[in-house]
Amino acid sequence: DTGVSQDPRHKITKRGQNVTFRCDPISEHNRLYWYRQTLGQGPEFLTYFQNEAQLEKSRLLSDRFSAERPKGSFSTLEIQRTEQGDSAMYLCASSGSGSYGYTFGSGTRLTVV
Amino acid sequence: DQQVKQNSPSLSVQEGRISILNCDYTNSMFDYFLWYKKYPAEGPTFLISISSIKDKNEDGRFTVFLNKSAKHLSLHIVPSQPGDSAVYFCAASVSHSGGSNYKLTFGKGTLLTVNP
Repeated sequence: DTGVSQDPRHKITKRGQNVTFRCDPISEHNRLYWYRQTLGQGPEFLTYFQNEAQLEKSRLLSDRFSAERPKGSFSTLEIQRTEQGDSAMYLCASSGSGSYGYTFGSGTRLTVV
Repeated sequence: DQQVKQNSPSLSVQEGRISILNCDYTNSMFDYFLWYKKYPAEGPTFLISISSIKDKNEDGRFTVFLNKSAKHLSLHIVPSQPGDSAVYFCAASVSHSGGSNYKLTFGKGTLLTVNP
């Protein structure tokens, strides 16, 4: 197992465009999380899946954001009509039931110009 | 409203000496605490954790201390090595039934530099 994979590593997009990121968790992990990290801040929780069910969404996740985890495997995070304030590192992590501590991916750095 | 605070943005220590990283929290519901280490261009890596039923947890060169009454925890690294140079994040969670936490609240991080 190669850990948590995120694609792409970097994305530059023009304001107003839609972007989609993909996360492949560790195969035996049933929990998957999305976090966002901006410069000088720690990661901030966005949303969480247990298998295919999205169990919680942060108020940071506006209507322009949507996340899916079809069949409880990989997950996608889509941002519609991107704004400059969306520029950040988007981190995906996974964990197994009953385990403490996540395994994070290397993140997708989004720059909105 | 910063529920997890790391008030030192940076810390510099000499190789072989002790590094002490501090973290304070305000939410009394937090009952599980973790430390993560992050190198540039990588995601955070889990380092060590502690439950609120303990006041100390040790793993090799890393020890985490928890003072619940002061809502304070610290990470001790002894001896410090140049490869320990990274950003260290403190994180906290409210555990749920079944013992598995999910949502973590992170501090802003402390950049540790260990000089040879």
